[in-house]
Amino acid sequence: GQNIDQPTEMTATEGAIVQINCTYQTSGFNGLFWYQQHAGEAPTFLSYNVLDGLEEKGRFSSFLSRSKGYSYLLLKELQMKDSASYLCAVRDNTGAGSYQLTFGKGTKLSVIP
Amino acid sequence: GAVVSQHPSWVICKSGTSVKIECRSLDFQATTMFWYRQFPKQSLMLMATSNEGSKATYEQGVEKDKFLINHASLTLSTLTVTSAHPEDSSFYICSARRNNEQFFGPGTRLTVL
Repeated sequence: GQNIDQPTEMTATEGAIVQINCTYQTSGFNGLFWYQQHAGEAPTFLSYNVLDGLEEKGRFSSFLSRSKGYSYLLLKELQMKDSASYLCAVRDNTGAGSYQLTFGKGTKLSVIP
Repeated sequence: GAVVSQHPSWVICKSGTSVKIECRSLDFQATTMFWYRQFPKQSLMLMATSNEGSKATYEQGVEKDKFLINHASLTLSTLTVTSAHPEDSSFYICSARRNNEQFFGPGTRLTVL
């Protein structure tokens, strides 16, 4: 099974940078995803890491260290619309070519002026 | 991009009735779809994995006789909540797998009175 841990809430200022950490314990690791979820809406895909290192996509970057079971999502030049929950999700191989995605509890980010 | 739809987007029903939720992959075929449930301020919890042409795989603690899943075609999976009770009120989200990614539907808000 998985044990995915991320902070419950964070607050940051508009224009600033914020880092949301995620630690996990799992077997059959097959990738780590970050999703953004606004209240009452389904998650939207932000990033995917399967190898160690940093993946950059515009204002968002995600880092993975498989040996440490650790990832972070970095948001730069924060905007008010970035206020949302950010979900860390780990994909596990479940055998026979199948896998499943398990979500952390999410980090609620509040961006303040 | 890959689009997944859900219908209905919200439903209110009386206790004891059954509700069917549809999940469709609009522009790709999905042999595997996933059903998640999300209670307020909680993360997404995987309920079951729906495989086209075969029985769904349910997560521990999810009653297969209460949450009926049918994946009759490569673009459609349905979740039927049978004999719904107020505690079944939740946000139900499906996702469809394409290659190494999962694409989420917009979710269905179920309220059982």
